[in-house]
Amino acid sequence: EVQLVESGGGSVQPGGSLRLSCAASGFTFSSYDMNWVRQAPGKGLEWVSNIRSRGDYIYHADSVKGRFTISRDNAKNSLYLQMNSLRAEDTAVYYCARVRTTWDAFDIWGQGTMVTVSS
Amino acid sequence: DIQMTQSPSSVSASVGDRVTITCRASQGVGRWLAWYQQKPGKAPNLLIYAASSLESGVPSRFSGSGSGTDFTLTISSLQPEDFATYYCQQANSFPPTFGQGTRLDIK
Repeated sequence: EVQLVESGGGSVQPGGSLRLSCAASGFTFSSYDMNWVRQAPGKGLEWVSNIRSRGDYIYHADSVKGRFTISRDNAKNSLYLQMNSLRAEDTAVYYCARVRTTWDAFDIWGQGTMVTVSS
Repeated sequence: DIQMTQSPSSVSASVGDRVTITCRASQGVGRWLAWYQQKPGKAPNLLIYAASSLESGVPSRFSGSGSGTDFTLTISSLQPEDFATYYCQQANSFPPTFGQGTRLDIK
C-alpha cells in the first residue's frame, strides 16, 4: 500500500524548533518530488516547501524562507522539515504530499501532524 | 504569485443534485490545475489533475473542465459521501497556490 506517515508534531513556544518527519512506503520514494503543505485551524491549504526527487533543488514559501528547511534521505525513504524560529502563525496541521510524475498534482498525502506554537 | 479564487465559498445541495464549482486564476495556468476533496479531520484527496483528467479510483460523477484562467469542477449527481470541502490548485508555476475552498453542505 502506498503510504505517507508524518510524525514529530507537538507544542512548542514561540522561537522554538521542531523537526517533522514523513516516512514513505509502498512506492519508489527516490523517484518522486515531495512537498510539505500546511493547514491552519479552520483555514485553507498553504504550500510550504518542495524538494526534487534527488534533493538537488528545494523551494520554500516566502512565509517560511530562512526559518524552515526541507530535506530528504532517499536511503531511508524519509522526508523532513526542520522548523526554526517558530511563530504563532505557524500553528497548523502539516501534511507531506507526493507529486505526480506528470502534471505536478499532489496525489498521495499523509494523515498530517499538528504543530502548535504558543506560550 | 498566482492567486486562485473559488466560487461560491459555500453551497448547499441535496443528494442527486448537479453541482458546479468554479476556480479562476489571476493569470493563465494552461491546464496545470488540480481539484481536491477534503473531509473534516482528513487529508485532502486528489480528484482531478491536468484540469480534466480523473485520478484513478475517483468516481466518474466528478469531472473537470477549463484552461487558461477559468476552470470548473462538476459533480453530476451528489452522493452522501460527497459533502466536503473542495480546493483547486495551480501547478503551473512556483509557488503552487490553492483556492480558498468551497464547502459543500447538505441542504
